Amino acid sequence: GENVEQHPSTLSVQEGDSAVIKCTYSDSASNYFPWYKQELGKRPQLIIDIRSNVGEKKDQRIAVTLNKTAKHFSLHITETQPEDSAVYFCAPRNTGFQKLVFGTGTRLLVSP
Amino acid sequence: DAGVIQSPRHEVTEMGQEVTLRCKPISGHNSLFWYRQTMMRGLELLIYFNNNVPIDDSGMPEDRFSAKMPNASFSTLKIQPSEPRDSAVYFCASSLTGGRGGTEAFFGQGTRLTVV
Repeated sequence: GENVEQHPSTLSVQEGDSAVIKCTYSDSASNYFPWYKQELGKRPQLIIDIRSNVGEKKDQRIAVTLNKTAKHFSLHITETQPEDSAVYFCAPRNTGFQKLVFGTGTRLLVSP
Repeated sequence: DAGVIQSPRHEVTEMGQEVTLRCKPISGHNSLFWYRQTMMRGLELLIYFNNNVPIDDSGMPEDRFSAKMPNASFSTLKIQPSEPRDSAVYFCASSLTGGRGGTEAFFGQGTRLTVV
């Protein structure tokens, strides 16, 4: 948690391509790694999460991979669709503490 | 449960007026967060509560901002006096933490504040 950065800040892909968003964090005690999606004019909602005892998790077209040593985790979206267009936020967290800080956000645009 | 409920959805006020935003968290959740979202600053954490107690208000921009949580089912964020630079979308979120913790944060629909 705490210092949380995302790259890239914007990402444009063609429909059907893959997209990867990376989140880096500074708190080595972080042990919970969620990704949230915020569509235009809507609230952020959790789409996938992973805990530190797992290196990778997949749910249909989305997956999250974790590299605790390097202190980063990534969101992978395959076969992108226009409805994947949104802002994506990571929020790494130490589950022993309640504080919830979001990353800087990545705007994904999927063109038909 | 109807989810996190915020009111009002939209608020337009004149500079210098007092603004009060309200939030009802999901029943049973013990953590509540207030965020401000703008294009320039993204999603900023203003303050959070655990078991109705303010834990960290380091994100509150200045003394014009205050927040309370008188009970487990209600919280307010007040701006007095309001300024045009306070215009933003304000989100309230709640979650259940403790034990293994780290569970999902559920957001309200937000309040879009415009100060003219």
